[in-house]
Amino acid sequence: SAVISQKPSRDICQRGTSLTIQCQVDSQVTMMFWYRQQPGQSLTLIATANQGSEATYESGFVIDKFPISRPNLTFSTLTVSNMSPEDSSIYLCSVNRAGYEQFFGPGTRLTVL
Amino acid sequence: RKEVEQDPGPFNVPEGATVAFNCTYSNSASQSFFWYRQDCRKEPKLLMSVYSSGNEDGRFTAQLNRASQYISLLIRDSKLSDSATYLCVVNNPGNQFYFGTGTSLTVIP
Repeated sequence: SAVISQKPSRDICQRGTSLTIQCQVDSQVTMMFWYRQQPGQSLTLIATANQGSEATYESGFVIDKFPISRPNLTFSTLTVSNMSPEDSSIYLCSVNRAGYEQFFGPGTRLTVL
Repeated sequence: RKEVEQDPGPFNVPEGATVAFNCTYSNSASQSFFWYRQDCRKEPKLLMSVYSSGNEDGRFTAQLNRASQYISLLIRDSKLSDSATYLCVVNNPGNQFYFGTGTSLTVIP
C-alpha cells in the first residue's frame, strides 16, 4: 500500500485568491494524479503529474487555472488559481502502484466564498 | 459520452437483503476494472478488482462482461456497515483511471 498525506486538510478562501495543496507520498512513484470531487459527484481527473516533465491535463482543465509542480518522486503540489465559488470541492491526490490499485490521500476540502 | 456510467441510486435495502449494482464503460480498450467504496467524507478505497472470469470475496461478487462493456457488483446478506457509495472504476490505456458517479447504498435495520 501507499501512505499519502495532503495539506491543508481543509480551507476557506476568498474569491480571486489562490490555494496551493501539497501531496506527500511515503515512497517514490512515477505518476501522481490530481482529482476533484464536487459535492455529490464522483471523482474527476484533473491532471497527471510526472516527475521531470509538464503535467498532462484532462479536457476542461488548464495549466493556468490548475498549475502543478512535481519536483521529485514523492511530492507534488496543485494550485487552484483565481478561485471562484465553483471551485469549492474536495481535491484528492493519488498514486498508482504497478498499474493496479489507486491509493488516495485524505483529500483537501476547499470552500470558496 | 462518459467513460463510466452508473445508476446513482440511492438504494435503500433492509439488512440481509441482496443488492446488485451495474456499470457500463465506453472504451473497449479499457484494461482493468475495479469497485471502490467511499464512506461519507472519506477518500475512496479499493473494494475489489473485477476479472473476466468473475470473482468473489465473501459476500461480494464482481462480474465483467467485456463484450457488453458491463460490470456488476453483487452484495449478499447486506450489513449495516455496507452503507456507503460504491464507485465503478476502469483503467484505460495510458494508466488513467476513470470513476463512475457512484451508487449510494443505505442498509436499513
